[in-house]
Amino acid sequence: AQSVAQPEDQVNVAEGNPLTVKCTYSVSGNPYLFWYVQYPNRGLQFLLKYITGDNLVKGSYGFEAEFNKSQTSFHLKKPSALVSDSALYFCAVRVLTGDSWGKLQFGAGTQVVVTP
Amino acid sequence: GAVVSQHPSRVICKSGTSVKIECRSLDFQATTMFWYRQFPKQSLMLMATSNEGSKATYEQGVEKDKFLINHASLTLSTLTVTSAHPEDSSFYICSALAGARGTYNSPLHFGNGTRLTVT
Repeated sequence: AQSVAQPEDQVNVAEGNPLTVKCTYSVSGNPYLFWYVQYPNRGLQFLLKYITGDNLVKGSYGFEAEFNKSQTSFHLKKPSALVSDSALYFCAVRVLTGDSWGKLQFGAGTQVVVTP
Repeated sequence: GAVVSQHPSRVICKSGTSVKIECRSLDFQATTMFWYRQFPKQSLMLMATSNEGSKATYEQGVEKDKFLINHASLTLSTLTVTSAHPEDSSFYICSALAGARGTYNSPLHFGNGTRLTVT
């Protein structure tokens, strides 16, 4: 079964400092990994994805993620965090269901708190 | 970019009544839509996969008679919570898959969610 794990419920970081949100995955076959962000009472916004190619993936709002096959990880990073980055972040793996690639399996989510 | 509109954003209803939530893809056709449920400070739980013109596929443990899903057109899927009870209070989010069956890198677009409160 496909799954992702986010080991941290919450990450606290001061504004301007580097931000890392951890994610590890377990898949059979090639992993198709995604990061989403959710602001309070809103849906999810896509940040970035890893399909194939370079292990370092760049996404929206200055975020990037590093795919590490040996460690089965896909950590989200931002070199300099902003207060506006405070939100709930989800790692997800895409699952093939029947003949559709739509189903996403989400991690538990990590709350990011960036303090001024 | 592709936009998914979900309505209403917030609804309060009395126990025993039914509530309908709409999910529309505004500028693309979505043969497949997904309905998720999210409890406070928790992850998204997939409830069902909605396919245009056919019956929805429900995840294990989700009551199909309680959560009625209709996907009558390529741009609209509805979720009806029937005979709602306080334990149905939650945040419901829909998402839509652009294109036909999609590929491994097909984008998944999310609505802004519906906060349901059953009193």
